Amino acid sequence: AQSVTQLGSHVSVSEGALVLLRCNYSSSVPPYLFWYVQYPNQGLQLLLKYTSAATLVKGINGFEAEFKKSETSFHLTKPSAHMSDAAEYFCAVSASSGGKLIFGQGTELSVKP
Amino acid sequence: DAGVIQSPRHEVTEMGQEVTLRCKPISGHNSLFWYRQTMMRGLELLIYFNNNVPIDDSGMPEDRFSAKMPNASFSTLKIQPSEPRDSAVYFCASSLSQGGSPLHFGNGTRLTVT
Repeated sequence: AQSVTQLGSHVSVSEGALVLLRCNYSSSVPPYLFWYVQYPNQGLQLLLKYTSAATLVKGINGFEAEFKKSETSFHLTKPSAHMSDAAEYFCAVSASSGGKLIFGQGTELSVKP
Repeated sequence: DAGVIQSPRHEVTEMGQEVTLRCKPISGHNSLFWYRQTMMRGLELLIYFNNNVPIDDSGMPEDRFSAKMPNASFSTLKIQPSEPRDSAVYFCASSLSQGGSPLHFGNGTRLTVT
């Protein structure tokens, strides 16, 4: 079985500061891992995915995430926050077979001017 | 690419009424998922289909909920009778049925049951 834990339901950073959103996973098989972003009144958009190639994955909008098997983590980072990054971010895990995604509870990112 | 299309975007209904939510997946995708999002429970997988066949419906809350996929380009989620606790945003998503394929989400249907 798979599960995801996102540490911190709300993160607030200043514009230009580092963004770090934490995600830990549990999986009985080699996982596929994803980060999605959700803006108000919209569906979820894929930011990036890890599929057992490079452990450092680059996504859209300057975000990246690093897969660390020893820590069962897949934290999302961005060097410099922009006001437009304010949204809810979801980490998700999938088993190696089938496409079902299990989502974390989400982290709301606020960016202060 | 038109993306996943859901209708209606908003639905307001009275308790006891039947509600039908609709979804058109991305052409060529053979997996379809229905999720429900609430503040209290987050994103919950209700059911998913592979090649129009229901694979896992363990997330369907109760018998009042049913989902169908009569063909590769259309799916419905029905609630009968609806209750106020069903109020949520319902998302449909589609993907290729390969491990690691990302889900593509529609914009959701916001359901309010009064």
